[in-house]
Order: sequence, then C-alpha cells, then structure tokens
Amino acid sequence: KQEVTQIPAALSVPEGENLVLNCSFTDSAIYNLQWFRQDPGKGLTSLLLIQSSQREQTSGRLNASLDKSSGRSTLYIAASQPGDSATYLCAVEGSYGQNFVFGPGTRLSVLP
Amino acid sequence: DGGITQSPKYLFRKEGQNVTLSCEQNLNHDAMYWYRQDPGQGLRLIYYSQIVNDFQKGDIAEGYSVSREKKESFPLTVTSAQKNPTAFYLCASSPSGSYQPQHFGDGTRLSIL
Repeated sequence: KQEVTQIPAALSVPEGENLVLNCSFTDSAIYNLQWFRQDPGKGLTSLLLIQSSQREQTSGRLNASLDKSSGRSTLYIAASQPGDSATYLCAVEGSYGQNFVFGPGTRLSVLP
Repeated sequence: DGGITQSPKYLFRKEGQNVTLSCEQNLNHDAMYWYRQDPGQGLRLIYYSQIVNDFQKGDIAEGYSVSREKKESFPLTVTSAQKNPTAFYLCASSPSGSYQPQHFGDGTRLSIL
C-alpha cells in the first residue's frame, strides 16, 4: 500500500530565503505526483504536476523535482514571501488504477 | 468562472441524523472525488466517480453514501453510522485520462452538536 510522508511537518523562515520541502513515497510505480497549496480553512490549489516520465516542472518561483527510483520529490521555493505561508501537500497517483494518496503536508510560515 | 462549489461551508449534525454535503462543478470534468481531512493528516478518499451513474468506494467509505445522477453533481451523505464525522470534507474533480490534475472546492466543515 502506497504511503506518502512529508518532512518537515512545519517550517518557519524569514522572507527572501530559498527553501526546500520534501515528499517521500514508498511505491515507485506512480503515474504522476502533484503538489498543492492549502490556505487555512480552504480547499487545495494545484501548484505543479509532474508526470512519471518527467524529472521536474517549474512555475514562476516554484520548481518541483521527481526521483521515482528513490521515491522522492522536492518542492523548491525561491525568494520566499509572506504570501507563500500555507500548508503544502504532495499527492501521488498510482500506476495500477489507484487514486491519489496524499501526504500530511508541511506547514510553512514566511516571516516578514 | 469555472470551478467547484461546495455547500454549506459549515454544517452541524445531531446524534442519529443524516446530513448531505453538496458538490457542484461546471468544469465539465468526468471524475469527481470526496475526501476527508483530519488535523495533521493527509486527505483520505471516501468515494469517487469516474462517470455518471457509477461510483466506487475509497479507503474510508463506511458510514458514507454518494450518488452521481448528473455529471456536474456528486453529493455526499454522512449517515448516522459514521460515529466520528467531525472533519473537513473536500470535493474534487478532474478530466478523464492520465496525468490530469485534480481541482478542489473550498470544503465543508462538519461538526457534531
């Protein structure tokens, strides 16, 4: 059974820092991996989706990488801003008709 | 604007009562999903539907029921059999096919009176 973990559980950084969020999964047979942002009391907003054949995806200040063989993905946020404060979740979609399995998230606070 | 609408935003349930959470999408997506989110945990899949008039149980379907009579609607009923229903419920949809991102509504927070 696929399990997804995220480290750290919470992170606090000063504004302007570059930071890395980590996502690990136990079964490398995946279709894709998706990173989401969740603001308090809100739904999830899709940030990036990496297909299993891809190594990374970029959108603005965000860059997500995928290493299927090691079961890891990282989300890199450049020049962090207070508006980046939110919980970041990763989710993997299995290759065998399995649905998305979500990690517990990393709660990010960017201090002005 | 296209999107997913969940209602109500807050819902209170009395003991022994069934309650229904609404989810409507105008994205023309084939697939729809219901998740439950508890503090400090990832989302867990309750039910999903890939096509109208068909739906499948997820990991934690016990105590819940759904219907998919229209493409744009996927209501979730939390029955009295669900003994710990207090949670944040999220509805999502996605186009059919591989490598399609999921889009989420803003959620419904259910509490017990």
